[in-house]
Amino acid sequence: GNSVTQMEGPVTLSEEAFLTINCTYTATGYPSLFWYVQYPGEGLQLLLKATKADDKGSNKGFEATYRKETTSFHLEKGSVQVSDSAVYFCALSIPYNNNDMRFGAGTRLTVKP
Amino acid sequence: DAGVIQSPRHEVTEMGQEVTLRCKPISGHDYLFWYRQTMMRGLELLIYFNNNVPIDDSGMPEDRFSAKMPNASFSTLKIQPSEPRDSAVYFCASSHPGLAGPTDTQYFGPGTRLTVL
Repeated sequence: GNSVTQMEGPVTLSEEAFLTINCTYTATGYPSLFWYVQYPGEGLQLLLKATKADDKGSNKGFEATYRKETTSFHLEKGSVQVSDSAVYFCALSIPYNNNDMRFGAGTRLTVKP
Repeated sequence: DAGVIQSPRHEVTEMGQEVTLRCKPISGHDYLFWYRQTMMRGLELLIYFNNNVPIDDSGMPEDRFSAKMPNASFSTLKIQPSEPRDSAVYFCASSHPGLAGPTDTQYFGPGTRLTVL
């Protein structure tokens, strides 16, 4: 079946450090890939997405590239800020097939000043 | 736009009681999703609607759970009778189709934190 596996947290970094959160997927068909972010006490909000292989999604300094050969969609940011502290979810969907939507377990990021 | 609105934000009830969670999607969105989030199981899709019609309810855990969408601006998730293991945060989300299909860019509400004693 379709699934998403992301690195376990928590991840603790100092401000301005480089961030990588790994995400790999298993899917039948041609998934679209997403990163959502959840700030404390709030719902998830879309951070970035990619709909086909080799696409790069980017937003607020975060980037992720859809790698079909390695079935990965790793999230990166060159210099994190305290305000980036949140839980990050990798997700996939299979559009216009069964519309199956799967989320990873989430990775909690804490950035210290 | 006010975003997706959920009520109540917090609900504490006793085992065996009926619980009703409410959601107002973003106007113009024709897909509505209900999720449950727990530490043990993470984020789970329970059911989703398209144009007020339930499309996939395979994630609904058991018959105690039911969801309705009587019109485009309102949906409910009901648990009857409630049990302690139903304690979780329940999210509603809405979307309209994009390149990634119906599940393109979902907008989540703030969630309802349910505690069943």
